[in-house]
Amino acid sequence: GIQVEQSPPDLILQEGANSTLRCNFSDSVNNLQWFHQNPWGQLINLFYIPSGTKQNGRLSATTVATERYSLLYISSSQTTDSGVYFCAALFSGNTPLVFGKGTRLSVIA
Amino acid sequence: DAGITQSPRHKVTETGTPVTLRCHQTENHRYMYWYRQDPGHGLRLIHYSYGVKDTDKGEVSDGYSVSRSKTEDFLLTLESATSSQTSVYFCAIRNISGTSGKGGFGPGTRLTVT
Repeated sequence: GIQVEQSPPDLILQEGANSTLRCNFSDSVNNLQWFHQNPWGQLINLFYIPSGTKQNGRLSATTVATERYSLLYISSSQTTDSGVYFCAALFSGNTPLVFGKGTRLSVIA
Repeated sequence: DAGITQSPRHKVTETGTPVTLRCHQTENHRYMYWYRQDPGHGLRLIHYSYGVKDTDKGEVSDGYSVSRSKTEDFLLTLESATSSQTSVYFCAIRNISGTSGKGGFGPGTRLTVT
């Protein structure tokens, strides 16, 4: 069935370090999004990236649709980057977003 | 994020009682969704709506019903609350079927069933 898998499930970084989060999806997608859930529970859109590469400050994302994966890069991490990062895929038509289980990131000062 | 509110934000209820959660949007988006978030499971879809009075089930719909009588409101009802429905519930909206990426999540409702 349709699946979205994220790795690693947990990640601890020293402040200033870089990291790469991965999202694999089981079928071709119409839409791939990355979200950040902050420690207060709020879910924030980061990227809408069905293909290609986008950058926003210290964050960037790349989706290789033909190989069914997406990567989220965090450079020079800060404590405010802590939280859970979710990727979500829209596989076709009117189907809703299917979420991965998330990567929990802890950035330590 | 987008103009989405949820009410109540927190609720404690007893097993067997009915509970209704409300999602309200000011964006006039067509698609609305209810997800629940539980440790180890990420966000799982309960029900969604693709227009007024048009709804469909998600992967964890048992024990839940929804209604959408107008564009801006999407109600989630727990017909007879159980402890397994203790969770954080998020409402989401989307403009069209994912092609623009516009939309967002509400602030969440923390529900505890005792």
